Amino acid sequence: EAGVTQFPSHSVIEKGQTVTLRCDPISGHDNLYWYRRVMGKEIKFLLHFVKESKQDESGMPNNRFLAERTGGTYSTLKVQPAELEDSGVYFCASSRWDLRTGELFFGEGSRLTVL
Amino acid sequence: GDSVTQMEGPVTLSEEAFLTINCTYTATGYPSLFWYVQYPGEGLQLLLKATKADDKGSNKGFEATYRKETTSFHLEKGSVQVSDSAVYFCALSEEIQGAQKLVFGQGTRLTINP
Repeated sequence: EAGVTQFPSHSVIEKGQTVTLRCDPISGHDNLYWYRRVMGKEIKFLLHFVKESKQDESGMPNNRFLAERTGGTYSTLKVQPAELEDSGVYFCASSRWDLRTGELFFGEGSRLTVL
Repeated sequence: GDSVTQMEGPVTLSEEAFLTINCTYTATGYPSLFWYVQYPGEGLQLLLKATKADDKGSNKGFEATYRKETTSFHLEKGSVQVSDSAVYFCALSEEIQGAQKLVFGQGTRLTINP
């Protein structure tokens, strides 16, 4: 069974440009999460999809970030326009069940560098 | 909101040394507690978890006990190996109005020297 895959693994862009990160969860996992780790600090929650619906987007920093999960399969996270403080590692995770009973499976992360 | 604090790294030990990585939390409810590990070039993996007070999670020689009275979930291993070198994250599950998420600490980088 394939794990959670993320693309690209590393992206370097200039301030003001747009970047789209993609996450393919494990097949059959309805829950999909985006997290971000900035400058070696804690991993912070961004948002949570259940199938194609946004269950919780309380962690999205501002309206420059847009996440979608059309059809309830893969998800994209777009940053437009990117700012310097958006640099970090963006993790995607998926799970079949809720967190009380199930495990969250993470991808390797997409490293974003904004110059 | 809920939060997790873990000891700052980096931590460097010699092989076969005893390991403790401290983790404390603040939570309004009764969260489950987790340790995740990220090996070089890989994604985070669940190492162990505990779902209620006094539960002990264990895996690969690592242990952590859910201590409600001290709000702690310290990670321990009696004899570390070079292959344990990784970044370790303590986390709790938070649920607000039916929506669940993990809240992570800042991570502790562990390096084991042969």
